[in-house]
Amino acid sequence: DAKTTQPPSMDCAEGRAANLPCNHSTISGNEYVYWYRQIHSQGPQYIIHGLKNNETNEMASLIITEDRKSSTLILPHATLRDTAVYYCIVSWGKLQFGAGTQVVVTP
Amino acid sequence: ETGVTQSPTHLIKTRGQQVTLRCSSQSGHNTVSWYQQALGQGPQFIFQYYREEENGRGNFPPRFSGLQFPNYSSELNVNALELDDSALYLCASSLDRGQVQFFGPGTRLTVL
Repeated sequence: DAKTTQPPSMDCAEGRAANLPCNHSTISGNEYVYWYRQIHSQGPQYIIHGLKNNETNEMASLIITEDRKSSTLILPHATLRDTAVYYCIVSWGKLQFGAGTQVVVTP
Repeated sequence: ETGVTQSPTHLIKTRGQQVTLRCSSQSGHNTVSWYQQALGQGPQFIFQYYREEENGRGNFPPRFSGLQFPNYSSELNVNALELDDSALYLCASSLDRGQVQFFGPGTRLTVL
């Protein structure tokens, strides 16, 4: 079973920031937090990952709480092409996907 | 584009048949993982290969088997196909064990 809890869906207005929460209260010390997204029937796309520090790349920012029991993925300026299922995964090695969050970006 | 390729793109088989799916990993990557994604669900881990050896397996029966070649490309074999094997099969490669995995586009298998 997946070790993360995410809301099943959320909407976001185009141009606004999208904040996607994830709970992972049983995370182990050597497990990373990974975020992937999947656009319909395509392979999952890697977004970002982190261990305990906040991370930022050209796609998104990842904020991890100090106790590492939860995290937030931030898409700074959502576009229509960001509509996808977003998966939060805690792992070292094999990835255990849950149901993810269906994000719909609306004009 | 991740540099991970899979073939074929689509495949239709009948129950009881055998199928082989192929994956070419990104250049320099020595680890390949396979996942099964049923319609409407998240991908499920099948197994991982590291330097030609199996390095972990999910909850899948022995009729799911794999192979990794010296060039780190990989095959997934499924024997005695069942209707429930209909799914998107995803391959992911990583630079090493525990590193970020990059996925291919998948192979859509339909079992009739």
